[in-house]
Amino acid sequence: KQEVTQIPAALSVPEGENLVLNCSFTDSAIYNLQWFRQDPGKGLTSLLLIQSSQREQTSGRLNASLDKSSGRSTLYIAASQPGDSATYLCGGRGSQGNLIFGKGTKLSVKP
Amino acid sequence: GAVVSQHPSWVICKSGTSVKIECRSLDFQATTMFWYRQFPKQSLMLMATSNEGSKATYEQGVEKDKFLINHASLTLSTLTVTSAHPEDSSFYICSARSGGTGELFFGEGSRLTVL
Repeated sequence: KQEVTQIPAALSVPEGENLVLNCSFTDSAIYNLQWFRQDPGKGLTSLLLIQSSQREQTSGRLNASLDKSSGRSTLYIAASQPGDSATYLCGGRGSQGNLIFGKGTKLSVKP
Repeated sequence: GAVVSQHPSWVICKSGTSVKIECRSLDFQATTMFWYRQFPKQSLMLMATSNEGSKATYEQGVEKDKFLINHASLTLSTLTVTSAHPEDSSFYICSARSGGTGELFFGEGSRLTVL
């Protein structure tokens, strides 16, 4: 059974710092992996999708990598801003098509 | 990206009543939609997979008679919480997969409070 773990659970950084969020999964047989942000009381906003055949994806200040062999993905945020404050979730897609999520990393970027 | 609309965004109801939540894919067709439930400070837990034109597939431990799912068209799935109880109070989120890349898009969520 696929399990997804995200470390750290919470992170507080000053504005401008580069940071890395970690996601690990137990079953390397994933079809793809998505990173999302969730603002309080809101749904999920898709940030990046990495197909199983890819190693990384980039969008603006965000870069996500995927290493299936080690069961890990990282989300790199460059030059963090207060507007980046949110909970970041990673989800691995299994054969059933649904995503299995970690508990998320709550990020706070201080001005 | 693709847009998934969920309605209502919040609802308060009395214990024993039923509540319907709608999930619509606005600019794409979705043969499959997923319903998740999220408790405070917890991750999203898959409740069921909604399949257009057929019965939903429920995860272990989810009561299908309590959480009725109907996927009558390629753009609409509904979740009805029947005979709601306070323990059903939660944040319910739907998602749909846009064809091609397989990327999942999520609705804004529905906050249910049962008094």
